[in-house]
Amino acid sequence: EDKVVQSPLSLVVHEGDTVTLNCSYEVTNFRSLLWYKQEKKAPTFLFMLTSSGIEKKSGRLSSILDKKELFSILNITATQTGDSAVYLCAVEGNTGNQFYFGTGTSLTVIP
Amino acid sequence: DTEVTQTPKHLVMGMTNKKSLKCEQHMGHRAMYWYKQKAKKPPELMFVYSYEKLSINESVPSRFSPECPNSSLLNLHLHALQPEDSALYLCASSQGGAGTEAFFGQGTRLTVV
Repeated sequence: EDKVVQSPLSLVVHEGDTVTLNCSYEVTNFRSLLWYKQEKKAPTFLFMLTSSGIEKKSGRLSSILDKKELFSILNITATQTGDSAVYLCAVEGNTGNQFYFGTGTSLTVIP
Repeated sequence: DTEVTQTPKHLVMGMTNKKSLKCEQHMGHRAMYWYKQKAKKPPELMFVYSYEKLSINESVPSRFSPECPNSSLLNLHLHALQPEDSALYLCASSQGGAGTEAFFGQGTRLTVV
């Protein structure tokens, strides 16, 4: 059975801290791994990773994929209160067009 | 336009009612999805339409009936729901094929009473 597991489940940090969120997966015919940020309603897209070892970066956020060890990390540097959200990892596998979500990491950034 | 629009935003329905959720995208995406999300849980895949054909049904009960009238629209027809079906229902779309990101609508918050 395909599985996507995120850790930690929740995290509380102070503004300015750096955080690392983890996503490990076991998916048949891996195609891509995606990171989303979910605040109130719709998950908003952050990154899509398909190749190992290539860092994707957007401002203070960055992510990398290890297809050999089957995991990805999402880094957030200099955290701000606006980074407080649930961060979801999703993996596309099998025939494609199937995105399976991990358990999510709830991040709270306190001033 | 990178928007997926869902209506209604909120819906309260009785167990004997029939209602429909609607989803629309104008990005030319060929794959559309329904997800169900309970509080403090990740979205769970329900259905996938690819090129207007149902390609994946994740063993969803028949009281949920999807429909894809055309490449821009996706409906979810609801009938005889149970209180445990109360959840946030998210629609998403993607270009289809491997390695494309999915864009999500804001969701419909459904309460079954």
